[in-house]
Amino acid sequence: EAQVTQNPRYLITVTGKKLTVTCSQNMNHEYMSWYRQDPGLGLRQIYYSMNVEVTDKGDVPEGYKVSRKEKRNFPLILESPSPNQTSLYFCASSLWLNTEAFFGQGTRLTVV
Amino acid sequence: GIQVEQSPPDLILQEGANSTLRCNFSDSVNNLQWFHQNPWGQLINLFYIPSGTKQNGRLSATTVATERYSLLYISSSQTTDSGVYFCAVGGGYNQGGKLIFGQGTELSVKP
Repeated sequence: EAQVTQNPRYLITVTGKKLTVTCSQNMNHEYMSWYRQDPGLGLRQIYYSMNVEVTDKGDVPEGYKVSRKEKRNFPLILESPSPNQTSLYFCASSLWLNTEAFFGQGTRLTVV
Repeated sequence: GIQVEQSPPDLILQEGANSTLRCNFSDSVNNLQWFHQNPWGQLINLFYIPSGTKQNGRLSATTVATERYSLLYISSSQTTDSGVYFCAVGGGYNQGGKLIFGQGTELSVKP
């Protein structure tokens, strides 16, 4: 089944403890991205990648890192999480720009 | 940048009723999608519809790209249709290919 898989679905962590949210797609898509969703602010892009080893900042990249060592995986890394990173996170992939995007199940992160 | 506006912001329906959700966008786009965010937070693809009309069961969508709007029709609504409906347009290469989302229409279907 074609899908985007994120893990974990739920995570509660403490300030400053490094964490990684994994994202994997099985559709051989070139383009992958991360979004965060916050009440009143909607969905905003954090980082995106157009190909292996090619990543770039979205609208809200501060406090996040990403890597794209393989086409299928695009992990989101929070080196030192803070409470303002409490949010619902989505990974998405598409064949290329302006093609149909598929979203993962979401990761609900709480930083205390 | 491109602005995306959805209406209405909230909608309450009785089960079995029909509804139309609207999405206006401020510039020409090559990509428009409709999503349903269910009460568990998952974003479900409904339609990829840069132009034209598509139907999937009780749902259908129409995009008139030249007039910069899209419509999502829900017929014979069910309680499982409740949630938030988003339209999103592609920002293009100079915006990193991001999707620009509207603020959503929150639909509640009562039994």
